[in-house]
Amino acid sequence: AQSVTQPDIHITVSEGASLELRCNYSYGATPYLFWYVQSPGQGLQLLLKYFSGDTLVQGIKGFEAEFKRSQSSFNLRKPSVHWSDAAEYFCAVNTNAGKSTFGDGTTLTVKP
Amino acid sequence: EPEVTQTPSHQVTQMGQEVILRCVPISNHLYFYWYRQILGQKVEFLVSFYNNEISEKSEIFDDQFSVERPDGSNFTLKIRSTKLEDSAMYFCASSGIRGRSYGYTFGSGTRLTVV
Repeated sequence: AQSVTQPDIHITVSEGASLELRCNYSYGATPYLFWYVQSPGQGLQLLLKYFSGDTLVQGIKGFEAEFKRSQSSFNLRKPSVHWSDAAEYFCAVNTNAGKSTFGDGTTLTVKP
Repeated sequence: EPEVTQTPSHQVTQMGQEVILRCVPISNHLYFYWYRQILGQKVEFLVSFYNNEISEKSEIFDDQFSVERPDGSNFTLKIRSTKLEDSAMYFCASSGIRGRSYGYTFGSGTRLTVV
């Protein structure tokens, strides 16, 4: 069965600093991977996805993620964080049938 | 940009009562899903629905749960007899093709509080 691990429950960065959120997955076939962001009381917004091709994928809001098959990782990065990026971030992997398995999430706090 | 709409945004119900959570998926999408998120926990898959039948369901989705697409636009989740542990945020999602290669569009959720 597929699984997703987000090792960091909570990360705090200063505004303008770079950000990396970690995600490790377990899936028997080629994974289809996603990052979502959730602001307090809000739904889930898709940031970016990977399913083939270039291992570095670009998303919305200046985010990118790098797929590393050898490390079973799909880490999310942003060069310069803005205060509005404070939210919870979820990594997810999809099965063939379309079912998503989510990680526990990482809460991002941005210091002024 | 097309949206998935969920109503109500917040529902409070007494234990043992039936609730129906409503969703309007994106109009040309074919695959529909319900997920839930208990406060402070991860998002969990409940059920997927395609061609008017359930494609897959999780262990959470027991006999107390049912889904329906009563017309061409709505997709509902019914909980027959709510329990305290059903309190959670319920998210509806839809996708235009089989979800494996395509991120879903999620609704903003219905917060269900069972008292």
